[in-house]
Parts: sequence; C-alpha cells; structure tokens
Amino acid sequence: EPEVTQTPSHQVTQMGQEVILRCVPISNHLYFYWYRQILGQKVEFLVSFYNNEISEKSEIFDDQFSVERPDGSNFTLKIRSTKLEDSAMYFCASGDRGLGSYNSPLHFGNGTRLTVT
Amino acid sequence: GQQLNQSPQSMFIQEGEDVSMNCTSSSIFNTWLWYKQDPGEGPVLLIALYKAGELTSNGRLTAQFGITRKDSFLNISASIPSDVGIYFCAGQLVWGNEKLTFGTGTRLTIIP
Repeated sequence: EPEVTQTPSHQVTQMGQEVILRCVPISNHLYFYWYRQILGQKVEFLVSFYNNEISEKSEIFDDQFSVERPDGSNFTLKIRSTKLEDSAMYFCASGDRGLGSYNSPLHFGNGTRLTVT
Repeated sequence: GQQLNQSPQSMFIQEGEDVSMNCTSSSIFNTWLWYKQDPGEGPVLLIALYKAGELTSNGRLTAQFGITRKDSFLNISASIPSDVGIYFCAGQLVWGNEKLTFGTGTRLTIIP
C-alpha cells in the first residue's frame, strides 16, 4: 500500500537555526498537510496546501514557518529560526479528494522528531 | 476553536477483554475518524464515519457516529497485545480534505 514518507526521522538543531523537514506524499494525492504533536499531547493542525498555495493555517503557523512543494514529489516544512518550544513530532499527511467528496481520510507519515537545544 | 474530549484518558485491561472509548465535542462535525498511534509512528486510520448514526466495523473494531454529530464511540472486542497504543478520534467540519481536529487520546495498555 502506498505510504507517506518523511525524512529525517530525527533532527536535532540548535535554537535559532533553520530546519527543513521533508515529506514525499502519496503520488496521486493533491492535498497536503503538516501537523505537530508535542510529546504526550494531541496532534495539532499546522497548515494545509493545495494547488501550490496554502489553503488554511493555524495560529501556530506563524511567520517562522513556511511550506513549499519544490517539485512534483516533495513537500517541505521550513522553520526559519527554531525555538525550544518547536520541539515536537511533525507529521506530514496527504489526501486525494476535493471538498465535498467522501472517502478521503488523511494518510499520515511516521513523522520527524525535532529536538531544539 | 473546536475541541474533542476523549474518555477515558487511559485504560488498563487484560487480554481478551472488550474495550470501549468515546469522544465528545461541543461542536458538530460532519466526519468522524478514529486513528491509532504506536510509539514513534504516525497515526494510522482505523475507521472513518461519514453519516450521523452510522455504525461501521473493521474486524474487531466497531465505531459509531452519534446522531447529534457531537460524539462517537469506538469498541474493540477480544483485545490482543497488538491493540496497545494511543487511540485518537478526529473530526472534520466538512467532507473532503478539510483539516482534522484531534481528540486528546486514550492510551490502551494490556496487562499480561
């Protein structure tokens, strides 16, 4: 079964550094997402992306965050200047149907654990 | 924003027992989903519910979408060791590729 893949599985960085988290969504999917899970807490929505632009973002997704689909397969999340509180698991997800369609549950990757020291 | 509250927060059961957990919201959702998360991995979809009142099964798992659209339950029958993990409910306000709002999670532990 096709799956969403994320790299790296674990990233350690110093506060203030830039990080780029990478995702390869399922190939025929058109809708892409990033979610975050702080250790021991629930999964939180960050941003959704469709047709090469952000369709929705949460208040967590401030100016330090950006997303990009640089080519036909990758989807990246960049954090410009990391803070200690950015330490979390970051999950990429993708879906294959548009608004108003059934049967389009999201498929999640295994996540990147970001540790900011 | 919308919040989903799950109960119980954690469960300790013996292998073979049935499990029941539920999720409630102050807001209406049009789609309810149940995910399982194993340590160090991403959420894996178990069951998706699209209509109020819908009852859906997936093997030993059964989930229902509440009539009010503000709640859902998940039952696991005859639990086995690989059922251990954290179970999250998630809601979508509209069908399709709308963002998910996740519940607080139920951690299931099986006592040998």
